Amino acid sequence: NAGVTQTPKFRILKIGQSMTLQCTQDMNHNYMYWYRQDPGMGLKLIYYSVGAGITDKGEVPNGYNVSRSTTEDFPLRLELAAPSQTSVYFCASSPRGLELFFGSGTQLSVL
Amino acid sequence: GDSVTQMEGPVTLSEEAFLTINCTYTATGYPSLFWYVQYPGEGLQLLLKATKADDKGSNKGFEATYRKETTSFHLEKGSVQVSDSAVYFCAPTQGGSEKLVFGKGTKLTVNP
Repeated sequence: NAGVTQTPKFRILKIGQSMTLQCTQDMNHNYMYWYRQDPGMGLKLIYYSVGAGITDKGEVPNGYNVSRSTTEDFPLRLELAAPSQTSVYFCASSPRGLELFFGSGTQLSVL
Repeated sequence: GDSVTQMEGPVTLSEEAFLTINCTYTATGYPSLFWYVQYPGEGLQLLLKATKADDKGSNKGFEATYRKETTSFHLEKGSVQVSDSAVYFCAPTQGGSEKLVFGKGTKLTVNP
């Protein structure tokens, strides 16, 4: 019963460093999403994908990139990390959209 | 644009108290409406949903009714438990799409 698995759980980056947040799901869902959650705020959509090879921007895509080469994996790339990217990142998947299944999150600090 | 407004938290209740968390939305068309719950240290999970006017979603003793005339989807539970302590998010779909707009969340703490 793995569901949606995110790694790492915690990470500290220095300004200007890059990293990739990994996300994999074993439910054969077509839809996958990346959200960020800032304290006291709702979730903001960064990128989403409706199937392998298809990605699209969400509400806050600047400073991030994604790829979707397989149904299972949807990594999120941060280039040139900035303090404004300090947040908790959630990956989610869905069979048809609407009902989302979330991973447990990655807490990222950029110092 | 489409938006959602949730009752500000935090909310602190005693066990067995009645809970209401208000949620109103603005949307084009007829959105589907969702409540998600986030327990400490975990990702969000779907609590309940309603897809058309007057539908009532229910799960784990929680209920919410899709009120088109007041554009509301208030979450209620008749008798809360300590295990209900969590953050609750209201989320309508956005602009006829299947993307969700999340409210800011309402933190609920239930004391024994």
